[in-house]
Parts: sequence; structure tokens; C-alpha cells
Amino acid sequence: DSGVTQTPKHLITATGQRVTLRCSPRSGDLSVYWYQQSLDQGLQFLIQYYNGEERAKGNILERFSAQQFPDLHSELNLSSLELGDSALYFCASSVGHSLEPQHFGDGTRLSIL
Amino acid sequence: GESVGLHLPTLSVQEGDNSIINCAYSNSASDYFIWYKQESGKGPQFIIDIRSNMDKRQGQRVTVLLNKTVKHLSLQIAATQPGDSAVYFCAEMGDNNDMRFGAGTRLTVKP
Repeated sequence: DSGVTQTPKHLITATGQRVTLRCSPRSGDLSVYWYQQSLDQGLQFLIQYYNGEERAKGNILERFSAQQFPDLHSELNLSSLELGDSALYFCASSVGHSLEPQHFGDGTRLSIL
Repeated sequence: GESVGLHLPTLSVQEGDNSIINCAYSNSASDYFIWYKQESGKGPQFIIDIRSNMDKRQGQRVTVLLNKTVKHLSLQIAATQPGDSAVYFCAEMGDNNDMRFGAGTRLTVKP
């Protein structure tokens, strides 16, 4: 058990809809990272927050947004969903903000019908 | 993009043998490298890491080797066990905090 909790485990929705994925980092970790894992793109870094502030941005679409709250949990919002957004979405956390291991949750599987 | 899933490179070893999983990384400025193990239905699990100022690091049954000249990283698993069967990813990180994952290698351990 990594200590990172993601909810929900599975999400099924339709094109055009909006969903929110939630992540609770390990106790004491200040950084939260979001990744997308799909069959044709592998694990892709989306965005990082450190102590409530955006720290780094990867291949995140404009339709996607995230935030980290004062209690350090994070939410990833996906809107105007398309079939191609179907993937596993992982959250990871670390103590600091760079050059250290990231510990992953077990992901949210998003299926767009 | 890189592929995972059905088109992953595969390594099959006999239980008790040593395994070597290789990875070529892309950015010569990367400072930090990590190996992760991902089992079906789970998130990537940290195995071992190494910084760019080192060329070898050992853990319990695992060793990571870094060759910066040819931008190559390898993971050696000693006395491979059935529980080691999983997909293994290398990842590199530079000073922009962007962690880039390799395509992954599927390790299958035969009893």
C-alpha cells in the first residue's frame, strides 16, 4: 500500500460530460502529480502541485484542470470528455518537489461511452 | 508516444535466474532516474532510484546501472521470483520536474 488514495476506482460516463477525480497524498507529502496511462501513449505526466501551487505542467489538455486544496488533497477535473480520454489516471505524491521518488495510487479507470 | 500494453517488449526468465531489463533514456540533462514495477490493476511501485552523479546503486535483490555516455539504464534482479512478474518502467527526471516514463518491459517468470 503506497499510502496514496484515489477515488473513484472506476468511472463510466458519456462524451461531453465532466468528471472529477480525487487524490489524497501520503501523510506528510506536499507534492501531488497527475498522470494519464493509455494503451497508445503510455504513462504521460499531466501536472504537479506543491503545497497548493502549480509547480510543473506536462501534456495536459486545456479541457483538463487540477487543483490542490489546503489539506493537500487534489482533484483532477476533466471536461467535454471525448472517447480518447478513456484511460487510467494516476495520482502520485512526494515529500518535496523534485528529484525524489513519487509514490503512486492505484488509479481511476475512466471509460467514456 | 510510446506504447504499453499489447506491444510491450517482453522478457521471460526461469525462476531463480537473474533478470536484466534495459532502458534507453532521451535527455542527456536528466539528473535522476527511477525504476518502477507495475502489476496488473495497480499503480507503479517504486523499486530503486539513482542520481546522475552515480553509476551503480544496489538494493535488496536489485541493482541499477547508469551509463550516461550512451544514455542507458538497466535494472538487474537477482534470483527472480514469480512475484517479480510485472511491467517494469524506467523514468527520467530533469530540472523541470517533468518525469518521463519509458515504454515498459513485461517480465514473465516461469516456475
